[in-house]
Amino acid sequence: DGGITQSPKYLFRKEGQNVTLSCEQNLNHDAMYWYRQDPGQGLRLIYYSQIVNDFQKGDIAEGYSVSREKKESFPLTVTSAQKNPTAFYLCASTSTFGGLDNQPQHFGDGTRLSIL
Amino acid sequence: AQSVTQLGSHVSVSEGALVLLRCNYSSSVPPYLFWYVQYPNQGLQLLLKYTTGATLVKGINGFEAEFKKSETSFHLTKPSAHMSDAAEYFCAVSDSFNKFYFGSGTKLNVKP
Repeated sequence: DGGITQSPKYLFRKEGQNVTLSCEQNLNHDAMYWYRQDPGQGLRLIYYSQIVNDFQKGDIAEGYSVSREKKESFPLTVTSAQKNPTAFYLCASTSTFGGLDNQPQHFGDGTRLSIL
Repeated sequence: AQSVTQLGSHVSVSEGALVLLRCNYSSSVPPYLFWYVQYPNQGLQLLLKYTTGATLVKGINGFEAEFKKSETSFHLTKPSAHMSDAAEYFCAVSDSFNKFYFGSGTKLNVKP
């Protein structure tokens, strides 16, 4: 079955350390997204990418970086500059095939990041 | 710019009672609207979507939503709540650039 795989499910970061969250999809979707979820705040967009080798900052990009070298993959790095990284991180993708109404996003099961 | 407001961060109903979760949106163009459900420590699952056409949209698990342009609303309803409906629900709108905007969520509690 097609879907989005996020790994790891739980991740711990030490002070001053960069960590990378993996997101892989086999849905053949062009667009991919990273969200941060904190209790009571809904989903906040970190970065998104409409095509390979291109991505845009979302509302809370500071302290994060991404790459999009392959259509299937959109890894997120939480850098040491992100002072409050403890949150639930969700990756999503959607089809942007021309001529279709906006399609819904499909989500992975998330990665919970905590500070040691 | 688009935005979504969900009224009520927590809603509690009895099993078998009507579920009504409110969503109002702000959009400068005809909106694409979605409702998602999230169970603890999981991703979001699509319940239903409105793009064009019929304003009453039926989704999975007995949920439906009605798009009311004059009220800029897209409220989610279910005639009879089930214990398994207890979860957090998110309303979302997307723009013509496939950027999505989510409400802050409503946690639904179902009492036996």
